[in-house]
Amino acid sequence: AQKVTQAQTEISVVEKEDVTLDCVYETRDTTYYLFWYKQPPSGELVFLIRRNSFDEQNEISGRYSWNFQKSTSSFNFTITASQVVDSAVYFCALSDLPQGGSEKLVFGKGMKLTVNP
Amino acid sequence: DAMVIQNPRYQVTQFGKPVTLSCSQTLNHNVMYWYQQKSSQAPKLLFHYYDKDFNNEADTPDNFQSRRPNTSFCFLDIRSPGLGDAAMYLCATSRVLLAGAGNIQYFGAGTRLSVL
Repeated sequence: AQKVTQAQTEISVVEKEDVTLDCVYETRDTTYYLFWYKQPPSGELVFLIRRNSFDEQNEISGRYSWNFQKSTSSFNFTITASQVVDSAVYFCALSDLPQGGSEKLVFGKGMKLTVNP
Repeated sequence: DAMVIQNPRYQVTQFGKPVTLSCSQTLNHNVMYWYQQKSSQAPKLLFHYYDKDFNNEADTPDNFQSRRPNTSFCFLDIRSPGLGDAAMYLCATSRVLLAGAGNIQYFGAGTRLSVL
């Protein structure tokens, strides 16, 4: 069955520190997609990135970077030089396409990041 | 500009009193989803519409219903809210052209429901 594990539940850092959010997944599929979403206190889930299983290149977007390693089934997310505005709950998610069904997202439990000034 | 709009942002209802939450989208996406998110938990999919086709999750209580009168709007009806239904309700949309293509879901800001 599809499963996403975010072992860290809560992290607190001081502004400008780097922080890495871990995500480990389990899937029966050979083709799959991984996502990261950010949920600030306002409540809206904001899409950050999608990565397909055939693309293991790391990606960098400003202060955000993602490290996808199929060998360890991990898709970790690093924020460099964290800022107070990064404070949010971050969810890792995995695509799930049940036989005969519609595509869904399987979410991890989320990791609450607090960045203190 | 908000593309997935949920109204109201906060809703208070009484135990057993029917309540309707609404979601609209300007993205012209063909799929709309409703999630329930309780405090400190991951969003849990209740159901979704693929165009006009309704897809219910197996463990979604009968108390929860949905309507999609047109592409832009989708409603979540809770027929007899219980205390355990107090949660954040999130609407999401996706443009699905091909199943299994890792279609991105775009979320609204949610409606926080309180049940007294």
